[in-house]
Amino acid sequence: GAVVSQHPSRVICKSGTSVKIECRSLDFQATTMFWYRQFPKKSLMLMATSNEGSKATYEQGVEKDKFLINHASLTLSTLTVTSAHPEDSSFYICSAYGGQRYGYTFGSGTRLTVV
Amino acid sequence: GEDVEQSLFLSVREGDSSVINCTYTDSSSTYLYWYKQEPGAGLQLLTYIFSNMDMKQDQRLTVLLNKKDKHLSLRIADTQTGDSAIYFCAESKGNNAGNMLTFGGGTRLMVKP
Repeated sequence: GAVVSQHPSRVICKSGTSVKIECRSLDFQATTMFWYRQFPKKSLMLMATSNEGSKATYEQGVEKDKFLINHASLTLSTLTVTSAHPEDSSFYICSAYGGQRYGYTFGSGTRLTVV
Repeated sequence: GEDVEQSLFLSVREGDSSVINCTYTDSSSTYLYWYKQEPGAGLQLLTYIFSNMDMKQDQRLTVLLNKKDKHLSLRIADTQTGDSAIYFCAESKGNNAGNMLTFGGGTRLMVKP
């Protein structure tokens, strides 16, 4: 089946630093990738949608300059949390859409803790 | 309000059946999904159903869709302790399956031995 590799699975960083999270589709091409954020005991909140080679579309309330998304190829998307603050601590999950054959496949998530 | 709603919590005994319910508001939803999330992990797709179907069964899982009432349910037969997790229903709006998913708030299933 389709597999999406998300790294790192867990990261602790200091306030003010930037963190990059990678999402890679291993055996299929993802025309669209989605980035979600999950607060404790809450559902997933869509942050942005990215299509390969074009700028990401951000949901209302999500700062595009803070959460930089790059979708440089059909198998790789990255989310960079810039100048991270403790309130950015959360669980971030990516999802790759691989057409009707593969559907939506989620990464295993990244737990970010900003201290 | 939420486009997709679920009850927060369900507790069952091992061996019983579990039924997790979900309601949605968008009549143009064409794909409806059930995902399972174990602690600290990503989402695992359990099953999905197209809006032109009423029922789909896959081993212990049965999905029922009442499109008129916009109600989706997931039945887990012979529930096991390993089924304890959070279950999310999600819808994909419109006719393009590449559209974003809208998730319900998740139902925490607790299976007691």
